[in-house]
Amino acid sequence: RKEVEQDPGPFNVPEGATVAFNCTYSNSASQSFFWYRQDCRKEPKLLMSVYSSGNEDGRFTAQLNRASQYISLLIRDSKLSDSATYLCVVNTPGNTPLVFGKGTRLSVIA
Amino acid sequence: EAGVAQSPRYKIIEKRQSVAFWCNPISGHATLYWYQQILGQGPKLLIQFQNNGVVDDSQLPKDRFSAERLKGVDSTLKIQPAKLEDSAVYLCASSQTTGSHTQYFGPGTRLTVL
Repeated sequence: RKEVEQDPGPFNVPEGATVAFNCTYSNSASQSFFWYRQDCRKEPKLLMSVYSSGNEDGRFTAQLNRASQYISLLIRDSKLSDSATYLCVVNTPGNTPLVFGKGTRLSVIA
Repeated sequence: EAGVAQSPRYKIIEKRQSVAFWCNPISGHATLYWYQQILGQGPKLLIQFQNNGVVDDSQLPKDRFSAERLKGVDSTLKIQPAKLEDSAVYLCASSQTTGSHTQYFGPGTRLTVL
């Protein structure tokens, strides 16, 4: 089983739709979780961290389910500018590198 | 604040040739990372520096890849000799400390090996 798994998509949704992505991780010792956004031919940028209690930033909501070892990202009222690849990132305690998923591609269509 | 700088942005070489990439992290960032991102994949860490020391190079193919950060600021990543499967985007990132999980990425160098 891969360390971090994501559905590669693409998810094609109309403007204004709500879309959700899930990401599963294999290491139960993982403690830090993040969503990064990567536009086509650009570098990844941190979108948001994922906290145990769940957190919201505008139209974006991130959730963590430790029992089932998955995190999710919900985007409400999708905009054309949300079109990008969303990378799930996991970190385990200690001096270990971040592990990136392959990403989920989202296309928001007018 | 200036971001992470990388050069060149694009490089095309033939297999068995050598290539070098340069990275200048955000000023004051102690930790520097080199990632390889193959098309359709997430970034894979090659090497992590804390100042001028190597923290993790477990996924660096040391028979052909080398990296250095001699003065704890700029870094270079070299491939010698290149193989076809090295075609990828090489991303440099930096963070304030090793424990900081907010990494800032440079624009990357797109390498094509023919």
